[in-house]
Amino acid sequence: AQSVTQLDSHVSVSEGTPVLLRCNYSSSYSPSLFWYVQHPNKGLQLLLKYTSAATLVKGINGFEAEFKKSETSFHLTKPSAHMSDAAEYFCVVRLSTGFQKLVFGTGTRLLVSP
Amino acid sequence: ETGVTQTPRHLVMGMTNKKSLKCEQHLGHNAMYWYKQSAKKPLELMFVYSLEERVENNSVPSRFSPECPNSSHLFLHLHTLQPEDSALYLCASSPGTGPLLEQYFGPGTRLTVT
Repeated sequence: AQSVTQLDSHVSVSEGTPVLLRCNYSSSYSPSLFWYVQHPNKGLQLLLKYTSAATLVKGINGFEAEFKKSETSFHLTKPSAHMSDAAEYFCVVRLSTGFQKLVFGTGTRLLVSP
Repeated sequence: ETGVTQTPRHLVMGMTNKKSLKCEQHLGHNAMYWYKQSAKKPLELMFVYSLEERVENNSVPSRFSPECPNSSHLFLHLHTLQPEDSALYLCASSPGTGPLLEQYFGPGTRLTVT
């Protein structure tokens, strides 16, 4: 079965310091992976997606993620956190069968302090 | 603005009430989705509609009844709900149901069942 595990429920950083949000996936096939962000009272927004074309994927707002097959990981990073990055982040895998069925991780809440 | 709107944004209903959630997408997409987001649980896919035809029903109880009258509108009819149905209900749309097509989410309806 395909699934994702987000290793941290909360991550706290100071503004201007790097961000690392961890995600491990489980898949029998070459997976399609996504990161979504959810700000309070807002819908989910796609940050980036892994299409198997390149292992380092760049997204919006300075975020990027690296697909590492040997580690079954797809961690999200940003060199310098901004206060506006405070939100909930979801790692998502798309099931390889059926319609576009996304399986979401439990989420990581990013807290950014001044 | 994501182009997907949901009304109402908040809803409180008793277990014997009947209410409906509405979703509208202004993106010209062909597929629409209902998700349930409960506290401390991963986002759960409920229903998928493609070209106004239901293509996925993810073992959802019959007290939730979806309706897709056209490709721009999606409803979720609610009746005799239980307190455990309290959650954030998110609507999403995508250009189709093929792989790697991004899903665009609405802001959600916060439902409280008393």
